[in-house]
Amino acid sequence: EAGVVQSPRYKIIEKKQPVAFWCNPISGHNTLYWYLQNLGQGPELLIRYENEEAVDDSQLPKDRFSAERLKGVDSTLKIQPAELGDSAVYLCASSLDGWGLAGGNEQFFGPGTRLTVL
Amino acid sequence: QKEVEQNSGPLSVPEGAIASLNCTYSDRVSQSFFWYRQYSGKSPELIMSIYSNGDKEDGRFTAQLNKASQYVSLLIRDSQPSDSATYLCAVNCPMDSSYKLIFGSGTRLLVRP
Repeated sequence: EAGVVQSPRYKIIEKKQPVAFWCNPISGHNTLYWYLQNLGQGPELLIRYENEEAVDDSQLPKDRFSAERLKGVDSTLKIQPAELGDSAVYLCASSLDGWGLAGGNEQFFGPGTRLTVL
Repeated sequence: QKEVEQNSGPLSVPEGAIASLNCTYSDRVSQSFFWYRQYSGKSPELIMSIYSNGDKEDGRFTAQLNKASQYVSLLIRDSQPSDSATYLCAVNCPMDSSYKLIFGSGTRLLVRP
C-alpha cells in the first residue's frame, strides 16, 4: 500500500515569493493534516481536513497561508508571500478518521517538504 | 496550554541494553497516545499506539501508559545501533468539539555498538 506522497521534497525560494506544496494521502484516509516542523521540535498542526472540510485551521497564519482539499483527496498548502521565518519542514499526514479509538486516528506522515526561504 | 514533555537527551545506551524513553502530558482527558521514531532528515514514523492503561508489546517495543500519573513510556529491548533516532511522544488532546495531536520535542537516542 502506498504511503502519503508529498512534492516537492525540497524547495528554495527568495523571500516574498509564493510557494505551494502538494499532498496525496493514503487511499481511503478521510482525514488529512498539514504540520510544520522546526529543527529540534515536534510537528505542529497547521490545518486538519475531514474529507474536503477544514475543521481546524486555528494555527494557520491566514494572512499568508492558504490550503485546499478539493474532492476530499489531494491537498495543496500555499504560502504567499513567503518570509524568512517560514523556513521549516512541511509535513502532510493522513488517518482513516479523526475520532476512532481503535486505531482509526493513527496518523501516518509523508516524507515532507523542506522549505528554505532566502 | 496543553503540553507534552520529553527529556531531549541524548540518551546513550550500549547495544543490547534496554532503552527507556519517558513522556508526561498535561491534559487528563487525553485518550490516545503514540510514539513516533524520526531519523535525521526523515519524517516521523509511527511505531506504537496505546489507548488503555498498562503495557502494550510489539516485538522489541513496549509502550506503557499510566493515565493517573499522566505518564507514557517506551521501552526498547535489545537496542540496536539502527534504533538511534529521535523518538517523539504524541498525545491526542480533546479541544472543544475537536481534538489535536500534540507532540513533544523528542528524545534523541544513541545506541553505542
